[in-house]
Amino acid sequence: EVQLVESGGGLVQPGRSLRLSCAASGFSFDDYAMHWVRQAPGKGLEWVSAINWNGAHTDYVDSVKGRFTISRDSANTSLYLQMNSLRAEDTALYFCAKDATKWGDYFYMDVWGKGTTVTVSS
Amino acid sequence: EIVLTQSPATLSLSPGERATLSCRASQSVNNQLAWYQQRPGQAPRLLIYDASTRATGIPTRFSGSGSGTDFTLTISSLEPEDFAVYYCQQRSHGPPITFGQGTRLETK
Repeated sequence: EVQLVESGGGLVQPGRSLRLSCAASGFSFDDYAMHWVRQAPGKGLEWVSAINWNGAHTDYVDSVKGRFTISRDSANTSLYLQMNSLRAEDTALYFCAKDATKWGDYFYMDVWGKGTTVTVSS
Repeated sequence: EIVLTQSPATLSLSPGERATLSCRASQSVNNQLAWYQQRPGQAPRLLIYDASTRATGIPTRFSGSGSGTDFTLTISSLEPEDFAVYYCQQRSHGPPITFGQGTRLETK
């Protein structure tokens, strides 16, 4: 069964850091780009970041550039999001998602985890 | 950045009726558009990609059409489990990948 399980969320003060993890299983992790997508309470979906299948290329939404870093570990079939200098507006449910296209760039997201909640508040 | 505008914001229909949801892009995305369904408390689910291709396991009552800047998701006959929020997403000029603001499909 294809599965993504996020962890690492929690309550953090503004300006502090948090590292999210996403454990992947049931598919060839190394063959697919991966994404982080977030959803603020009661709001819509916002794409945050993506990393291509071999980790050579990463992209970010402007609001997190310079603060967030996406990475992947093929040995542990895991995706990460290092979040620094957190702001109140980063408060959201963070989803890990698998791209639908093998060896491709960033296309569509065909498998999603259940998400991990990040709350930035003093 | 490409802006996707979905309409209507809320659609009130009854089971068995036909639903038509719209997504308009601020510039052409060719056919590189997807539709997702999100039920309350759940993660999004990919329904349609490349504007009109159903994802694996998606019932045939869901169909997508359009190209360029105007796209439509049609649900031919609503089932109770179809009442949810629907989002469109483009990747044509990404990154950034962008989503529409969503259409809430509610029971009339």
